[in-house]
Amino acid sequence: NAGVTQTPKFQVLKTGQSMTLQCAQDMNHNSMYWYRQDPGMGLRLIYYSASEGTTDKGEVPNGYNVSRLNKREFSLRLESAAPSQTSVYFCASSERRANEKLFFGSGTQLSVL
Amino acid sequence: GENVEQHPSTLSVQEGDSAVIKCTYSDSASNYFPWYKQELGKGPQLIIDIRSNVGEKKDQRIAVTLNKTAKHFSLHITETQPEDSAVYFCAAMDTGNQFYFGTGTSLTVIP
Repeated sequence: NAGVTQTPKFQVLKTGQSMTLQCAQDMNHNSMYWYRQDPGMGLRLIYYSASEGTTDKGEVPNGYNVSRLNKREFSLRLESAAPSQTSVYFCASSERRANEKLFFGSGTQLSVL
Repeated sequence: GENVEQHPSTLSVQEGDSAVIKCTYSDSASNYFPWYKQELGKGPQLIIDIRSNVGEKKDQRIAVTLNKTAKHFSLHITETQPEDSAVYFCAAMDTGNQFYFGTGTSLTVIP
């Protein structure tokens, strides 16, 4: 049982380049989330999808877009990467939006030069 | 919105000693408080949680206490072991089901 799988694990971009972070879960969860983790700032919510077909902004959505491709997959896109987006990105899922237990992937370390 | 503060940022203890990590929150309506453990190179994993109608919860060597009046909650790890070394995050969930995380505590257990 893989849980939450994120790809890639590491990525280096130049300023202005675009990329998509992929996330898939095999737990039949309804809700999925993207967080970023920065030193001294904890985890902050970028976007979430409460259920298939819906997406909503979180705490820090600027510069990002998301797509809930189907119930399993939730991708995060950086259209024009900036150095301020250098961070570790975590995808998470939960049974439903109001269900408290989050399951996290192992993260993507992104550097924007 | 909710604001969660966590202390200390780093903590070193001798193996077998206890470790305590404290968090405060600002929104009195927050009703769920989980603790996550993050090992190097991995994502956070839930280790224990407490709801606002409970004052204390234990699971083997770990326990969480909640003081709603003072708006703070704490993680207690007894008889620490080297495998307890990790970064620990507290969080609070507000009435909109959004989590707000603390800034993390790096715990080192010295053998």
